[in-house]
Amino acid sequence: EAGVAQSPRYKIIEKRQSVAFWCNPISGHATLYWYQQILGQGPKLLIQFQNNGVVDDSQLPKDRFSAERLKGVDSTLKIQPAKLEDSAVYLCASSYLSPLGAGSPLHFGNGTRLTVT
Amino acid sequence: AQTVTQSQPEMSVQEAETVTLSCTYDTSESDYYLFWYKQPPSRQMILVIRQEAYKQQNATENRFSVNFQKAAKSFSLKISDSQLGDAAMYFCAYRIHDSNYQLIWGAGTKLIIKP
Repeated sequence: EAGVAQSPRYKIIEKRQSVAFWCNPISGHATLYWYQQILGQGPKLLIQFQNNGVVDDSQLPKDRFSAERLKGVDSTLKIQPAKLEDSAVYLCASSYLSPLGAGSPLHFGNGTRLTVT
Repeated sequence: AQTVTQSQPEMSVQEAETVTLSCTYDTSESDYYLFWYKQPPSRQMILVIRQEAYKQQNATENRFSVNFQKAAKSFSLKISDSQLGDAAMYFCAYRIHDSNYQLIWGAGTKLIIKP
């Protein structure tokens, strides 16, 4: 099966500019996650979608970050305006809702490395 | 509070040797899953192994095995016959059965393989 696709792979922008990341999950995966991973740290959940509804966005800085999942498939994450502290890797992941529930593994994309100068 | 602690920021091992990465966690739940993920320099997070808390038998996947001590809330990863391709960041995580199934992550351990 095709994996989780993310683009772009790298992005360099100046502070106060805007940027958007795209994610295409594995076909049939109902749950989609966006994580922010700062160098040397574990991933931090930004937002979780179930189909096209938001399950958890409690750690999303809503004054500058927004995300949507169109038709329960592809998703975009936007930052506007960017700050220096937004420099990080942005990971998209998806998982299949199965009888395993919490045991269903997450499948990750290659991530986007964002550098804000 | 739900937390995961990986006390070893960095570990190194000689190729073909065995190494153990430690992980402890804190939860009041009794039903949950534990995971080890590997993140090589390519950045893609890959599932290494998972363990259901209700199962007493330790999970094994080829050269990777876990030592799950539920009472101690410990979940260590043993890598046997280490290979150069095992060099990566290793993250421990757990997930409880609730409405969100959110993963709680550790800070990671960097594993260096010496040829």
